[in-house]
Amino acid sequence: GAVVSQHPSWVICKSGTSVKIECRSLDFQATTMFWYRQFPKQSLMLMATSNEGSKATYEQGVEKDKFLINHASLTLSTLTVTSAHPEDSSFYICSARDPAAYEQYFGPGTRLTVT
Amino acid sequence: EDQVTQSPEALRLQEGESSSLNCSYTVSGLRGLFWYRQDPGKGPEFLFTLYSAGEEKEKERLKATLTKKESFLHITAPKPEDSATYLCAVKGAQKLVFGQGTRLTINP
Repeated sequence: GAVVSQHPSWVICKSGTSVKIECRSLDFQATTMFWYRQFPKQSLMLMATSNEGSKATYEQGVEKDKFLINHASLTLSTLTVTSAHPEDSSFYICSARDPAAYEQYFGPGTRLTVT
Repeated sequence: EDQVTQSPEALRLQEGESSSLNCSYTVSGLRGLFWYRQDPGKGPEFLFTLYSAGEEKEKERLKATLTKKESFLHITAPKPEDSATYLCAVKGAQKLVFGQGTRLTINP
């Protein structure tokens, strides 16, 4: 199956700072990538969809100025959490869609803790 | 609106005890139904895609089936390493929609 990587796997930052999470598709070119958030014992919540070279589409209720998404190449998308607060602490997971099919492959996730 | 409901929420089995997980769905224009496995603290791992009613796919001890309203993930003679949360998702015209998952625990 296709491989999607994320970096870092975990990060701790202080309240008010920004943190960037990278998502890479390693063995295919992903024109579309997705960012999810997952709370403990809950399912995945889609935050935004990013298409290479264009602006991301955010789900209702997701602050686009807080969660900046950039999809600058066919293998890399980044999520920047700006002015992080403790309530932003969560498990963030990226996903890339195989352009030849409808399957989405997920990264290993990033655990963000804001102190 | 596309919807996915998984049952049961949690399931405990003894090693070797076969069972099935259910995924009921409503979707406008099904493009695919997907099963994923998720271990604690990890991202979902892709297992299967089913496209049309009657389709079946197998991988080791797992077999996924699809009807027009639901999908089943059959697990045969499970082992403790099969313990995980199993997620079902459907893709219609819009975004991928996930169910809440079934937490499967296999006791040795």
